[in-house]
Amino acid sequence: EAGVAQSPRYKIIEKRQSVAFWCNPISGHATLYWYQQILGQGPKLLIQFQNNGVVDDSQLPKDRFSAERLKGVDSTLKIQPAKLEDSAVYLCASRKVGDTNEKLFFGSGTQLSVL
Amino acid sequence: KQEVTQIPAALSVPEGENLVLNCSFTDSAIYNLQWFRQDPGKGLTSLLLIQSSQREQTSGRLNASLDKSSGRSTLYIAASQPGDSATYLCAVRRGNYGQNFVFGPGTRLSVLP
Repeated sequence: EAGVAQSPRYKIIEKRQSVAFWCNPISGHATLYWYQQILGQGPKLLIQFQNNGVVDDSQLPKDRFSAERLKGVDSTLKIQPAKLEDSAVYLCASRKVGDTNEKLFFGSGTQLSVL
Repeated sequence: KQEVTQIPAALSVPEGENLVLNCSFTDSAIYNLQWFRQDPGKGLTSLLLIQSSQREQTSGRLNASLDKSSGRSTLYIAASQPGDSATYLCAVRRGNYGQNFVFGPGTRLSVLP
């Protein structure tokens, strides 16, 4: 089966600019996550969707970050305006609800550099 | 608040050696625990998942154990190979619904030929 697709692979922007990331989860996976991974650290959850509804966005900096998952499939994560500290890898993951294995499947991520 | 730590931060071993990676978590009320592998510039790949009711899981040369009461999990890698070189992360999940995974910072493993 196809994996989690993310684009772009790399992005370099200047501070105060805006940027958007795209994720297409594995077909049939109702739960979708966006994680931020700063170099040398483990991934930190930004937002979790169940179908097209938000389950947890408690760690999303809502003054600059936004995310949506229209039709419960693809998702986009946007940063506007970007700050230097937003430089990180943004990972999308999906999980099949009701799967007793409950494993998370990750995309390759988008590496963002804010100059 | 759940916190996950991993020791050591980095490990270098000669090929063929058996090794153990450690993961500790502060809140023992977990639903399950997963071990992941991350290659440079790549996403995470799930290796093993242990439900809270289980003590261990095995896949090939990998064995993961879980001791909820002490807040610890170990990943045992037998007969290490250079291809095992990667960062290994553990993640704990608290509840069945609406609870996300909390990740440790990872252990960077280098297996020398």
